[in-house]
Amino acid sequence: AQTVTQSQPEMSVQEAETVTLSCTYDTSENNYYLFWYKQPPSRQMILVIRQEAYKQQNATENRFSVNFQKAAKSFSLKISDSQLGDTAMYFCAFMPASGNQFYFGTGTSLTVIP
Amino acid sequence: KAGVTQTPRYLIKTRGQQVTLSCSPISGHRSVSWYQQTPGQGLQFLFEYFSETQRNKGNFPGRFSGRQFSNSRSEMNVSTLELGDSALYLCASTTQAPGETQYFGPGTRLLVL
Repeated sequence: AQTVTQSQPEMSVQEAETVTLSCTYDTSENNYYLFWYKQPPSRQMILVIRQEAYKQQNATENRFSVNFQKAAKSFSLKISDSQLGDTAMYFCAFMPASGNQFYFGTGTSLTVIP
Repeated sequence: KAGVTQTPRYLIKTRGQQVTLSCSPISGHRSVSWYQQTPGQGLQFLFEYFSETQRNKGNFPGRFSGRQFSNSRSEMNVSTLELGDSALYLCASTTQAPGETQYFGPGTRLLVL
């Protein structure tokens, strides 16, 4: 079975500062994909970043980057130069290569303070 | 391209009734997945359809069912509604390749009284 754990239910960060959201997962699969999605108050789920497990290079997307540690089964999200619009619930998600089903973590509520 | 659309956006039903929710995927996407989001259980996978066939199914009772049409639009149905079915129902579409990014719709918020 696949499980995804986000141990930080709530976090806050000052505008323009950097914050890191943690995510660990458990799987026996060797090939899989990892995602971070953002869900603002509008409830629309928006992709933040995607990582393929067979790629050693950490994914980056503008101010968003990940620290992917496959051996440790860790997939943290770093947000640099935090902006007020980053305030949202962030979900870490795992998808095995064998299927199209997401396994989501419980989410981290991030508040960016002006 | 237009995004994933879901209708209706809000629904209020009473216990025992049934409900049908609709999802139109992004043009060209043939896979549609459904998720239930509740404060207590978080985001849980319901099922996935591809080319009108259910390809994956989550751990939900048989009251939850779905289908997909030839134009890739999908519907999910919940029969004999229970209070615990109150949730945000999200659908997501993707191309057929596993691991490709899933694009979510805005969701349908269902309240069961």
